[in-house]
Amino acid sequence: DGGITQSPKYLFRKEGQNVTLSCEQNLNHDAMYWYRQDPGQGLRLIYYSQIVNDFQKGDIAEGYSVSREKKESFPLTVTSAQKNPTAFYLCASSIPGQYNEQFFGPGTRLTVL
Amino acid sequence: AQTVTQSQPEMSVQEAETVTLSCTYDTSESDYYLFWYKQPPSRQMILVIRQEAYKQQNATENRFSVNFQKAAKSFSLKISDSQLGDAAMYFCAYRSAIGGTSYGKLTFGQGTILTVHP
Repeated sequence: DGGITQSPKYLFRKEGQNVTLSCEQNLNHDAMYWYRQDPGQGLRLIYYSQIVNDFQKGDIAEGYSVSREKKESFPLTVTSAQKNPTAFYLCASSIPGQYNEQFFGPGTRLTVL
Repeated sequence: AQTVTQSQPEMSVQEAETVTLSCTYDTSESDYYLFWYKQPPSRQMILVIRQEAYKQQNATENRFSVNFQKAAKSFSLKISDSQLGDAAMYFCAYRSAIGGTSYGKLTFGQGTILTVHP
């Protein structure tokens, strides 16, 4: 089945540690996105990539980094510079075409201990 | 920059009844796309319905329909014959139709929690 997978589902990190969240898609989509969701707020865009080896900062990129070496993969690293990393992280990819609608993975819940 | 506002943090409806969720947005662009996403307790985001700004006809998907008022910058979602499975957080989202490096970027509202009572 085609889809977007994110791993792990739950992730715990100690303060000062970097951690990488995985996002893989087998939908052959060119564009991929990372969002952060906090309680009582909507999704906020962290980074996005429209094509392999290219990516742009979203609205809240500080303290995060990404890479896009393969079309299928768009990992997100939460660095120690991110002051409040505890949140729910969602990865998405989008269909090329008129609506360019986005399809989402199941998410990763990151908790900093 | 575009903004999306959902003024109803929570809404409730009786099973089989109709409910309308509100969304307003601010933009200076003339062509854009609007979406409603549903996030059930599993937290999986699911696309419910979409609308292009240049289409005057309101989009409909089974029990879900929108009331798109371009001049008022309003994009409300109507759920008819509400079912228990409709209980979720609903997000309104905006996407510009302009190309460039920001192409494809979605701006989300804060969400509305919908409770369905049996």
